[in-house]
Amino acid sequence: AQTVTQSQPEMSVQEAETVTLSCTYDTSESNYYLFWYKQPPSGQMILVIRQEAYKQQNATENRFSVNFQKAAKSFSLKISDSQLGDTAMYFCAFTNVYGGATNKLIFGTGTLLAVQP
Amino acid sequence: DTGVSQDPRHKITKRGQNVTFRCDPISEHNRLYWYRQTLGQGPEFLTYFQNEAQLEKSRLLSDRFSAERPKGSFSTLEIQRTEQGDSAMYLCASSPPGDRVNTEAFFGQGTRLTVV
Repeated sequence: AQTVTQSQPEMSVQEAETVTLSCTYDTSESNYYLFWYKQPPSGQMILVIRQEAYKQQNATENRFSVNFQKAAKSFSLKISDSQLGDTAMYFCAFTNVYGGATNKLIFGTGTLLAVQP
Repeated sequence: DTGVSQDPRHKITKRGQNVTFRCDPISEHNRLYWYRQTLGQGPEFLTYFQNEAQLEKSRLLSDRFSAERPKGSFSTLEIQRTEQGDSAMYLCASSPPGDRVNTEAFFGQGTRLTVV
């Protein structure tokens, strides 16, 4: 069974600084997608960034980038120039993409990020 | 299109009552998911619809839970004889067609259920 592990329940960072959130996963599949979702207090899950497993290049989206280490099954999120609006729960998630897959997401337990002014 | 819509946003019910939640996905999305999120945890998959067909159900979905998606549009999730352990946020998500390419799931704001 696939699992996603986030070992940092809480993190804190000063505004404008850089922070890295950790995620490891376990799967026997060779192709899959990994995601980071942000969940602010309103509750809505918002996609931050996505990485396809067979692409070696790390994904970037503006201030957000990932460090994808397929052999180590590691998928960390780096947030540069942190802003107060980045304060939220961050969830790492995994989905299979083999033929017939439902693309259901498997989530980690989350990391609560607090950006301090 | 305003995204995935869930109703109600909050529901307080007494133990033993039945509740029903509604999800309206993004109009062109044929795939619809329900997840449950308890306090301090990540969302857990409950069930998946492709159009009107319910193709996967988690073992978390006990026989007190039933989900439907008539005509492949909106979906409802019903919980019968609610228990305090059912208290959680129920999230709905939808995705466009194309299981290998379009993998992004768009989430609604959720329905927070409190069973007292």
